[in-house]
Amino acid sequence: EDQVTQSPEALRLQEGESSSLNCSYTVSGLRGLFWYRQDPGKGPEFLFTLYSAGEEKEKERLKATLTKKESFLHITAPKPEDSATYLCAVGRPSGNTPLVFGKGTRLSVIA
Amino acid sequence: AAGVIQSPRHLIKEKRETATLKCYPIPRHDTVYWYQQGPGQDPQFLISFYEKMQSDKGSIPDRFSAQQFSDYHSELNMSSLELGDSALYFCASSPQTGTSGEEETQYFGPGTRLLVL
Repeated sequence: EDQVTQSPEALRLQEGESSSLNCSYTVSGLRGLFWYRQDPGKGPEFLFTLYSAGEEKEKERLKATLTKKESFLHITAPKPEDSATYLCAVGRPSGNTPLVFGKGTRLSVIA
Repeated sequence: AAGVIQSPRHLIKEKRETATLKCYPIPRHDTVYWYQQGPGQDPQFLISFYEKMQSDKGSIPDRFSAQQFSDYHSELNMSSLELGDSALYFCASSPQTGTSGEEETQYFGPGTRLLVL
């Protein structure tokens, strides 16, 4: 059974204090690892798709990396507006398949 | 850029009533997914459609049904509503195969918040 585990469950950072969120996964053939940001009561906002080990993608203060067993979302010098829940999800080998989500990491950035 | 549109955004129903949620995917997206998210939970997959045919089925109750129409919009029909159906319902869409190189990426709508009293 496909599983996605995110850690920590919650993270509180001071503004400017860089950190990383972890997403470990077990899936029978990975067809994409996805990071989303979700604000309370809103839909998940797409951040990154990673396909193969060693791949890295960046967007503003965020950088996502992928290994064969886990992915990291690095947040550099975060700001209060980065506060949100960050969700990791995996897709399975056959196309057009549903995503399996982790429970998310709730990030709070304090000014 | 155009996003996924969902309606209504909020819905209040009584137990045993029915509800219909609508989803309009991003233009040229041919796959639609429905997810349910309870308070403090991660999104759980319900059902998906590719080119108007059901492509996958998750933990969707028998009381729920869905379809995708010729214009690719989708509707989730929920009958005999129960208190436990109160949740956020998201629709997501993904691009047509061969159009972007990231066809697996799903883009989510703003959701419909359903409250069953």
